[in-house]
Amino acid sequence: DTGVSQDPRHKITKRGQNVTFRCDPISEHNRLYWYRQTLGQGPEFLTYFQNEAQLEKSRLLSDRFSAERPKGSFSTLEIQRTEQGDSAMYLCASSYLAGGGGDTQYFGPGTRLTVL
Amino acid sequence: AQKVTQAQTEISVVEKEDVTLDCVYETRDTTYYLFWYKQPPSGELVFLIRRNSFDEQNEISGRYSWNFQKSTSSFNFTITASQVVDSAVYFCALSEGVKAAGNKLTFGGGTRVLVKP
Repeated sequence: DTGVSQDPRHKITKRGQNVTFRCDPISEHNRLYWYRQTLGQGPEFLTYFQNEAQLEKSRLLSDRFSAERPKGSFSTLEIQRTEQGDSAMYLCASSYLAGGGGDTQYFGPGTRLTVL
Repeated sequence: AQKVTQAQTEISVVEKEDVTLDCVYETRDTTYYLFWYKQPPSGELVFLIRRNSFDEQNEISGRYSWNFQKSTSSFNFTITASQVVDSAVYFCALSEGVKAAGNKLTFGGGTRVLVKP
């Protein structure tokens, strides 16, 4: 199995521009999560998909942020009108869960966003 | 609301010393899951272990061991005979169980471990 991949690995943009990140989960994983990590902090949950359905969004996810997972495979996270406060590492994780209980999330390498 | 506290922000040891990382959690759920992840300088979070709330057995994997105590809401991690390659930031995380909307992780602030040769 290949791991979770994310593209791009680094993105530098100017304030006010839109950016889009892509996450390819581990094959057959039905769950996909996005997190944001700022320097010196632990990751914070942003949103979650089960297959193609977006089932939970954090209040951290302002209306400038949108995420999709068409066909339940890869996912994209778009940030519109970027602000300097959006500078962070954006992490994607995937997992597989068939029924009840908990899942184990496997993380990608992240996309580091710098907003100038 | 759930919360994870890692009181140690940074630990520095000399190679071959043992190092213990503390993790204290808060949750109202009776079913939950605890995790440890390693984040080396490359930045990718690497899964180390998952523990269910109803399984308090301690676990050992090579030089790594974990001590789960529900009575004190702690899930501590020990690296025995540390090596330079163990230098990384280690995160403890918690997810609440049996949720239809997924098992989002709540992370602690992390503990940076520096192993000097």
